[in-house]
Amino acid sequence: GIQVEQSPPDLILQEGANSTLRCNFSDSVNNLQWFHQNPWGQLINLFYIPSGTKQNGRLSATTVATERYSLLYISSSQTTDSGVYFCAVVLNNDMRFGAGTRLTVKP
Amino acid sequence: DAGVIQSPRHEVTEMGQEVTLRCKPISGHNSLFWYRQTMMRGLELLIYFNNNVPIDDSGMPEDRFSAKMPNASFSTLKIQPSEPRDSAVYFCASSRDQGLNEKLFFGSGTQLSVL
Repeated sequence: GIQVEQSPPDLILQEGANSTLRCNFSDSVNNLQWFHQNPWGQLINLFYIPSGTKQNGRLSATTVATERYSLLYISSSQTTDSGVYFCAVVLNNDMRFGAGTRLTVKP
Repeated sequence: DAGVIQSPRHEVTEMGQEVTLRCKPISGHNSLFWYRQTMMRGLELLIYFNNNVPIDDSGMPEDRFSAKMPNASFSTLKIQPSEPRDSAVYFCASSRDQGLNEKLFFGSGTQLSVL
């Protein structure tokens, strides 16, 4: 099946810093989504982004499908951004989640 | 919209007991998914339904697991008999249209502990 790798596995930031999270995948995909799992376990859909760039407030995402990667940008990070960020890809009705990037934003 | 609603939030049971997890998808969504999350295996798709029909149950680990969707607003995931290795967080998710190529919305999950 399709392989999904996220990097870095862990990231610690000071409040106000910017960060880039990466998701690499091993094959062409039908779609890609980014999720944030907050410290209480809730999974929130951030972006549905099979290709191109989208922005939502301080967050933006870019997927370059031909090169098999996606990036999630977090600007001016806040403590509420802490949690685990997952990317999930779909190929032929097979959805795979990456292992996630655990982000800790310190005040 | 109330979002995807799961119950119970926490379940503690003893090995051998039957466990039933419940899910109400977002109104108007046609697809419903059951996921399991563990530290070792991450997020795994167990089964998904489209228009109340099971489409892919290849992720269901064993015959002890079964899932039903009797109508568009309700689904259950049942484990009988439960075992300690079933301990995990079980998420339900729904999407607007068919299959996995739609934006997924997750419930808050059920934390299951089998002693």
